[in-house]
Amino acid sequence: GESVGLHLPTLSVQEGDNSIINCAYSNSASDYFIWYKQESGKGPQFIIDIRSNMDKRQGQRVTVLLNKTVKHLSLQIAATQPGDSAVYFCAERSLDKVIFGPGTSLSVIP
Amino acid sequence: NAGVTQTPKFRVLKTGQSMTLLCAQDMNHEYMYWYRQDPGMGLRLIHYSVGEGTTAKGEVPDGYNVSRLKKQNFLLGLESAAPSQTSVYFCASRAGQHTGELFFGEGSRLTVL
Repeated sequence: GESVGLHLPTLSVQEGDNSIINCAYSNSASDYFIWYKQESGKGPQFIIDIRSNMDKRQGQRVTVLLNKTVKHLSLQIAATQPGDSAVYFCAERSLDKVIFGPGTSLSVIP
Repeated sequence: NAGVTQTPKFRVLKTGQSMTLLCAQDMNHEYMYWYRQDPGMGLRLIHYSVGEGTTAKGEVPDGYNVSRLKKQNFLLGLESAAPSQTSVYFCASRAGQHTGELFFGEGSRLTVL
C-alpha cells in the first residue's frame, strides 16, 4: 500500500547552518512529491514540489532531491533562520490522492 | 481573495450528535480534500473530490460522509459523532493535474464529549 514516512521525528540546527529533512516513500507510482511547512495552530503551507521524472528542484533557499532508486526524498534548507522552526511534512500524490507522512519538527537554535 | 475558508473554526459535540463542516474555495479549483490531524501526528486523508458532483474515499473514511454539490464547496458530515473523531480538520484544494500544491484552510477544531 501507499506509505510515506520520515526517518527523524525531531531536528535541531544552529541558526545559519543548513538543514536536511529526509523522507522515505513506498509507492513508486506517485507522480508528485511535495514538502509542506506547518506552524503551530495553522494549516500546512506549500514549500516546493517535484515531479517524479526529476531528481532535483530548487526554490528560494530550499532544494528538494528525489532518489527513486531508494525511494527517498529530502528537503534542504540553506542558512536556516529562526522563522524556519516548524513541523515539516513530505507528501506524495498518486493519481488524485495526496498522502502525508508523519512529520519532522525542526527547531532552530539562535 | 479569501482562498480556502472553513466553518466553523471550533465546535463541541456530544457523542451521537451530527454536524457538518463547510469548506469553501474561491480559486475555481477542481480538486478538494478533507484531512484530519491528531496531536503530534500527520494529516490523514478522509475523503476527496476531483470535481463537482464527485467524491472518493481516502485513508480514513469511516464515520464521515461528504458532498460536492457545487464546485466551490466541499462538505464533511459526521452522522453520529464519537470521541475518536475529536481532531483538527483541514480542508484543502488543488488547481489541476500539473501541480502537487494544496491550498489549506485554517482548520476546524472539533471536540466530541
